[in-house]
Amino acid sequence: EAQVTQNPRYLITVTGKKLTVTCSQNMNHEYMSWYRQDPGLGLRQIYYSMNVEVTDKGDVPEGYKVSRKEKRNFPLILESPSPNQTSLYFCASSLGRAGETQYFGPGTRLLVL
Amino acid sequence: DAKTTQPNSMESNEEEPVHLPCNHSTISGTDYIHWYRQLPSQGPEYVIHGLTSNVNNRMASLAIAEDRKSSTLILHRATLRDAAVYYCILNTGGFKTIFGAGTRLFVKA
Repeated sequence: EAQVTQNPRYLITVTGKKLTVTCSQNMNHEYMSWYRQDPGLGLRQIYYSMNVEVTDKGDVPEGYKVSRKEKRNFPLILESPSPNQTSLYFCASSLGRAGETQYFGPGTRLLVL
Repeated sequence: DAKTTQPNSMESNEEEPVHLPCNHSTISGTDYIHWYRQLPSQGPEYVIHGLTSNVNNRMASLAIAEDRKSSTLILHRATLRDAAVYYCILNTGGFKTIFGAGTRLFVKA
């Protein structure tokens, strides 16, 4: 089944403790992206990647890192999480060409204490 | 970056058609118009997309204005399962993507 998977789905952590949220897709998509969703603010793009080793900032990249060493994986790294990074995170992938659909993962709900 | 404007919320009766509008006055010639919807506790899912011509699929229809500055998502017969937040976004080659606040659709039985 074609899908985007995220792990973990739920995470509670404390301020400053490094964490990684994994994202994997099995559709051979070139384009992958991370979003965060907060009440009243909708979905905001954090980072995106057009292909292996090619990444760029979205609208809200501060406090996040990403890497794209393999086509199928696009982990989101929070080196020193803070409470304002408490949010619902979505990973998405697509073929990347104009007009192509983005497929979204199920989401990761993060609480930073 | 091109942005879209949608009403915050709309209501519909079950089994009736719904027209969800979207304004995108700064659209460029290469921007595709995409619609996604987000059901409660789920990630966004694709609904439909188009460039210039009207489009139909099994979920909905997309009507695009001749000047491309606006579009309308049409659900032909709303069901309770269509209650969701609908997002209209512009997409050029799948790069930077900007979601607006979307339209929350309420469907009354």
